[in-house]
Amino acid sequence: NAGVTQTPKFQVLKTGQSMTLQCAQDMNHEYMSWYRQDPGMGLRLIHYSVGAGITDQGEVPNGYNVSRSTTEDFPLRLLSAAPSQTSVYFCASSQRTGGVFEVTQYFGPGTRLLVL
Amino acid sequence: GQSLEQPSEVTAVEGAIVQINCTYQTSGFYGLSWYQQHDGGAPTFLSYNGLDGLEETGRFSSFLSRSKGYSYLLLKELQMKDSASYLCAVKDSNYQLIWGAGTKLIIKP
Repeated sequence: NAGVTQTPKFQVLKTGQSMTLQCAQDMNHEYMSWYRQDPGMGLRLIHYSVGAGITDQGEVPNGYNVSRSTTEDFPLRLLSAAPSQTSVYFCASSQRTGGVFEVTQYFGPGTRLLVL
Repeated sequence: GQSLEQPSEVTAVEGAIVQINCTYQTSGFYGLSWYQQHDGGAPTFLSYNGLDGLEETGRFSSFLSRSKGYSYLLLKELQMKDSASYLCAVKDSNYQLIWGAGTKLIIKP
């Protein structure tokens, strides 16, 4: 099992450029999510999905789009990059069988994004 | 609003015991979990408390008091590899995890 994989590991963008951060998991988890992590702040939820074809917004969705066409993949799209989107992005997945399984999230290694 | 408060930094000595606190105010409560995050790494799951009381996993224990909105993580027999940030997270009424900013644990030899 590779667990949760993310690509790329690092990315530099210019303001206004668009890009897609890739996320894949091989654990057959129904729940997947995207977070951003900024210094001095907790992880903030961007978008999440409870299964293929179902997505919803989290706390900070503006400027980001997601889709979930398969159980395995959950890409995050930056529509028009802004310096405020400079951050570390984590993808995570978990089961949806209740209790400890739902809160046991498995994280990818992260993507470090710099927007100039 | 929803908030989780943790101290930003805690210092301890190798071989000792340290306690990291987390207080929370959330709309609904469906459990609290603790994660460890090394510098440059991803968070990894440590423990979960759904009910009041103490949960123990090896050198790590986590305590929860729902009436006080309070949890702590206890690390025993500290090792240098325990130097990391420790994040608490609460599952709220929207079934999402709300995260604290994390506590950086510095361990001195």
